[in-house]
Amino acid sequence: DSGVTQTPKHLITATGQRVTLRCSPRSGDLSVYWYQQSLDQGLQFLIQYYNGEERAKGNILERFSAQQFPDLHSELNLSSLELGDSALYFCASSVEVHLGTEAFFGQGTRLTVV
Amino acid sequence: SQQGEEDPQALSIQEGENATMNCSYKTSINNLQWYRQNSGRGLVHLILIRSNEREKHSGRLRVTLDTSKKSSSLLITASRAADTASYFCATAPMNRDDKIIFGKGTRLHILP
Repeated sequence: DSGVTQTPKHLITATGQRVTLRCSPRSGDLSVYWYQQSLDQGLQFLIQYYNGEERAKGNILERFSAQQFPDLHSELNLSSLELGDSALYFCASSVEVHLGTEAFFGQGTRLTVV
Repeated sequence: SQQGEEDPQALSIQEGENATMNCSYKTSINNLQWYRQNSGRGLVHLILIRSNEREKHSGRLRVTLDTSKKSSSLLITASRAADTASYFCATAPMNRDDKIIFGKGTRLHILP
């Protein structure tokens, strides 16, 4: 158990809908990262938050947004869903920002858009 | 774009043999990390090597880092069936941008 909790584990929804994925980081970790993993693909970095503030942005679509709350949990919002958004979405957390420490991953949310 | 590129994309070896995977990256890094992912599950951190280190060991794992060539290798000795998984390298850049960027991974299959 990594200590990072993601909910829900599975999500099936229709095109055009909006969903929210939730992540609770490990106790004490201030950084939260979101990644998207499509079939047979590596992990695409989406966005990172540190202590409530957006710190780094990757290839995140405008239809996607995220935030980190004062209690450090994070949510990834995906709207106007398309079939191609079907993927595993991972959240990871870590302690240090600039020095780079190991990241602890949740078990992911498998999103299926039908 | 991906920072790290693992090579090979897939590798099948007999149980007991050694497995070597390579990773190349593009920009200066603070550290490089290797992760394992069992099918459809979250990633598990294996080992971290800092830019001022050349080699690191952890159990049956040996990681090397050559910053002049911007490359790293992961060696798994005496492979076991349980080592079957995808292995990813991830880089933490030197600049203050705190992304941890992953490659596409090497799929390792250990044959009984």
